[in-house]
Amino acid sequence: QSVLTQPPSASGTPGQRVTISCSGSSSNIGSNYVYWYQQLPGTAPKLLIYRNNQRPSGVPDRFSGSKSGTSASLAISGLRSEDEADYYCAAWDDSLSGPHYVFGTGTKVTVL
Amino acid sequence: QVQLVESGGGVVQPGGSLRLSCAASGFTFSSYGMHWVRQAPGKGLEWVAFIRYDGSNKYYADSVKGRFTISRDNSKNTLYLQMNSLRAEDTAVYYCAKLPPRYGDDAFDIWGQGTMVTVSS
Repeated sequence: QSVLTQPPSASGTPGQRVTISCSGSSSNIGSNYVYWYQQLPGTAPKLLIYRNNQRPSGVPDRFSGSKSGTSASLAISGLRSEDEADYYCAAWDDSLSGPHYVFGTGTKVTVL
Repeated sequence: QVQLVESGGGVVQPGGSLRLSCAASGFTFSSYGMHWVRQAPGKGLEWVAFIRYDGSNKYYADSVKGRFTISRDNSKNTLYLQMNSLRAEDTAVYYCAKLPPRYGDDAFDIWGQGTMVTVSS
């Protein structure tokens, strides 16, 4: 059971802006960096955002991340058909049983 | 090129054991912490375990603690996951992955193609 909560789905038409939220707690998002991953159908995940709002080389600037308190969000601007995928937030969690890396519940983005 | 290749998946009966391997190439494996991540059919990603670059620290998800063991052999550029007392709920595609470090500057990730583990009688 994930400790990071995301909406199960989001959608938009081409060119629109879509935002995905990720809600956590003080032991994860509140005190650690947030990461975002994109998983295209039938493929392994790929890093989109690291350290809350940084893009790895090669990730389009249409993707942006932000964090405030115990929540984070991923925004996709200028939505394109190839953005149709599952998106997961992630963070380290300093639980009582030791450090854990946790993924969010995942959000399926549909391009209408 | 930079890649991770998992092997060792298959069908195993409940209570059985399996060892997964992940062969790394194209990067300095011994410099990075490594993860195992799994994904049950039709479900989301679940983190399984992490091992530091030198094997000095290992962390596990509560769902596998005491049953799974992560290890590495830096001389062979290989990561392992020993899975014991397997349950039906362990059925998933298992990925090995190099993810951005908790403390550090590098921004790249590497994922394997995944290996399927099915626990069924």
